[in-house]
Order: sequence, then C-alpha cells, then structure tokens
Amino acid sequence: QITLKESGPTLVRPTQTLTLTCTFSGFSLSTSGVGVGWIRQPPGEALEWLALLYGDDSKRYSPSLKNRFTINKDTSKNQAVLTIINMDPGDTATYYCAHLSIKVVMGAISHAFDVWGQGTMVTVSP
Amino acid sequence: DVQMTQSPSSLSASVGDRVTITCRASENVYKYLNWYQQRPGKAPSLLIYAASTLQSGVPSRFSGGGSGTDFTLTINGLQPEDFATYYCQQNNKIPQTFGQGTKVEV
Repeated sequence: QITLKESGPTLVRPTQTLTLTCTFSGFSLSTSGVGVGWIRQPPGEALEWLALLYGDDSKRYSPSLKNRFTINKDTSKNQAVLTIINMDPGDTATYYCAHLSIKVVMGAISHAFDVWGQGTMVTVSP
Repeated sequence: DVQMTQSPSSLSASVGDRVTITCRASENVYKYLNWYQQRPGKAPSLLIYAASTLQSGVPSRFSGGGSGTDFTLTINGLQPEDFATYYCQQNNKIPQTFGQGTKVEV
C-alpha cells in the first residue's frame, strides 16, 4: 500500500525559504519507472502542477516557477524534498505530494498521480 | 504551457442524473489526459487516466472519452458522494497542467 505525507512549516515570512518534506512508503524512489510529484492549490483555487522527481533522479519543473523551486530525494529515508526560495504571499497554498504512476496504455506512456498525500497548508505572511 | 479549459465551471444536478463535463486543451495532447475528483477539504483522487481508462477501485458509473483536444468525463447516475470538484490534467507536455475545475453541486 502506497502512502505519502507532507510536512513542514505552516507559516513563513516573505523572502524566506520554505522546505517541505514528503515522506512515503510502499515504493522506492531508487529505480526508474517511479516518480513523485508536487502540486499546490491556493485557497479556493485550482490545482497547479509544480514539479516531478523520477527515481533515476531526473527532474522536471514548471517554467513559471522561475528557478525558485528545487526538488531532491533522500532514498535512505524514503523522502522527497521541495525547496522554495524567496517566498511570496502568492505562494500561500496547500502543497501536495503525490505518487506518479507510469503506465503503458495502448503503446503510449501515461503519467498520472494515483496516490496523494493529505496536503499541508502553508501561509506566507509578514 | 498547454491551457486546459473545463466547462462548465459549475453545475447543479440531482442524485441519479447523468452529468457530462468537458475539457479542452489548447493543443493536441493525444490521449494523455487524466481526470481527478476532489471532495471538500480532501486531496484529489485519480478517476481516469489515458483519457478513458478507469483507475482501479473507481465505480463504473464514471467514464471518460475523447482524444486530441476535446475530452469528456461522464457520470451515469450521480450519487451523493459524487458532489465534488473535478479536474482534468494533461500529461503530454511539461508542465502537466490542470484545468480550472468543475464543481458539481446539488
């Protein structure tokens, strides 16, 4: 059974750095064909895709993040870590990590987030 | 970025109704399209991937269709637990963008 849980501060000040940890079980992020994604959701708004980390340590980021976001893994701890520098009130959101399911469907490789963490709310305020 | 536009943004329905939500991509995403359900205060859950493949454990009243730029999510026989917000997501290009959501209300 796959589970994920996000942890980190609930309140940060503008310009500070935020570090969120996703601790997971039921899979290993040390092999290819596996991944963890980060998604956020401002209060009352839609989901926003942020980044992907694959088991082979390759990474994909949303270009709109303007190099503020970094994702890394600690395989020994079964963790994926999201770091955001220069936090802004516009970064206030619930942050989710999710297991990336990679499947071959009719000859094509499909990606989907099949298991999600509960989310952690982060507020950016002076 | 690939823009995903859902319609309607919200709809009112009753238990037992058939509901259809549309998702349109700003460019061809082939069948790289997922649907998620999000209940209030909860994390999203995967309903359908690859446009039409039902995720394990999801009731068969949910179905998905389409390819290219136009996709649909249909719920046949709406149940009380189906009142929620639904999101489409393309996974053809990075960033793997979501639609703005469709809220299904009583």
